[in-house]
Amino acid sequence: AQKITQTQPGMFVQEKEAVTLDCTYDTSDQSYGLFWYKQPSSGEMIFLIYQGSYDEQNATEGRYSLNFQKARKSANLVISASQLGDSAMYFCAMREGGANSKLTFGKGITLSVRP
Amino acid sequence: EPEVTQTPSHQVTQMGQEVILRCVPISNHLYFYWYRQILGQKVEFLVSFYNNEISEKSEIFDDQFSVERPDGSNFTLKIRSTKLEDSAMYFCASTLRGLREQFFGPGTRLTVL
Repeated sequence: AQKITQTQPGMFVQEKEAVTLDCTYDTSDQSYGLFWYKQPSSGEMIFLIYQGSYDEQNATEGRYSLNFQKARKSANLVISASQLGDSAMYFCAMREGGANSKLTFGKGITLSVRP
Repeated sequence: EPEVTQTPSHQVTQMGQEVILRCVPISNHLYFYWYRQILGQKVEFLVSFYNNEISEKSEIFDDQFSVERPDGSNFTLKIRSTKLEDSAMYFCASTLRGLREQFFGPGTRLTVL
């Protein structure tokens, strides 16, 4: 089974609107971390937000929030007030095991923000 | 703000040649990683490195690959005899013990002809 599943083929959103990017994960570990990274067309990987499996509150970082539903094993990224600069590829990733273990990425979702 | 740097930004090589990709992690970081991303595909883990030895490696990281920390600052990935399918973006990342995120470098785009 895939560890990280991102099935949305491509997303479009109007500038200033909110958008949700879906991510489901599969793990048998009790302790794990979930990440979202942004990859603009220039190629670099930009860390956006982190959610620990034991965190009771949903993570928020500015316009980014993570809708964490542990029982459903989903960790959806919500971007509020979309901006043109949000157009990019977005990757969900998971870290299992120790705090410095590898990241396992999903295949990503392309987001296009329309003016 | 400290950042991970990688050189070169783009490398073109002939099939069968050796390449060395270089990374300078953030100075006080202790855990180092290489990932690769074939064009249009997901980011895949290659290897992690701590305390001068490999902590974990993926099945992609076969005998053609090696990593080294030759001095206190550089972290290198060597591909001994490149294949066409090694063409990808290679990302280096680093972190500290217990730090939640891995900090990625800008990547090296490797093109094998």
